Amino acid sequence: KQEVTQIPAALSVPEGENLVLNCSFTDSAIYNLQWFRQDPGKGLTSLLLIQSSQREQTSGRLNASLDKSSGRSTLYIAASQPGDSATYLCAVPYSSASKIIFGSGTRLSIRP
Amino acid sequence: DVKVTQSSRYLVKRTGEKVFLECVQDMDHENMFWYRQDPGLGLRLIYFSYDVKMKEKGDIPEGYSVSREKKERFSLILESASTNQTSMYLCASSVSGDWNTEAFFGQGTRLTVV
Repeated sequence: KQEVTQIPAALSVPEGENLVLNCSFTDSAIYNLQWFRQDPGKGLTSLLLIQSSQREQTSGRLNASLDKSSGRSTLYIAASQPGDSATYLCAVPYSSASKIIFGSGTRLSIRP
Repeated sequence: DVKVTQSSRYLVKRTGEKVFLECVQDMDHENMFWYRQDPGLGLRLIYFSYDVKMKEKGDIPEGYSVSREKKERFSLILESASTNQTSMYLCASSVSGDWNTEAFFGQGTRLTVV
C-alpha cells in the first residue's frame, strides 16, 4: 500500500532563506509526483509535476526533484518571501489515476 | 489555463437536507474527483469518475452519491446531511492516461451542517 509522508509538518523561517521541503513515498512504482500549494481556506494550486522518467522540474524560484529508487522528492524554494507562506502538499497517483495519495502537508511560514 | 469551478465557496445547511455540490471543468478532462479535507485527516477521496456516467467509490463514500451526466460537470450529493459531513470539499479533474495525470483543483466549498 502506498504511503506518502511529509516532514516536517510545520516550518518557520526568516525571509530570504533557501529551504527544502521533503516528501517520501513507500512504493517506487509511481507514474509521477505532483507538488501543490494550499492557502488557508482555499483549494489546491498545482505547482510542479515531475514525470517518473524525470529527475527534476523547475518553475521560477521552485525546483522539485524526484528520486524514485529512494522514494523521495524534495521541493526547493529559493529566496523565500512572506507570500510563500502556505501549506505545501505532495501527491502521487498510484495504481490507477483514481488513486491519488496525498501527503499530510508541510505548513510553511516565512517571517518578514 | 485549466479551470475547475465549484459552485459555492461557503454553504450552510440543516441536518437532514439534501445537498448538491457542483463542479465544472473546462479542459475536457476525463477524470473528475471529489475529496473532503479535515484537520488531521488530510484529503480523503469520496468518489471518482473516469467518464460520463461512470463512477468509482473512493475511501469514504458512505452518505454520499455522485452524478456525471456531462463530461464537464461532476456533482456530489449528500442524501441527508449530517453534522459529521461538515468539512471542506474539493473537486479535481485530470486527463486520462497513466503518464501525465496532473490534477487540477477547484477553490473548495466549505460546508457547515447545523
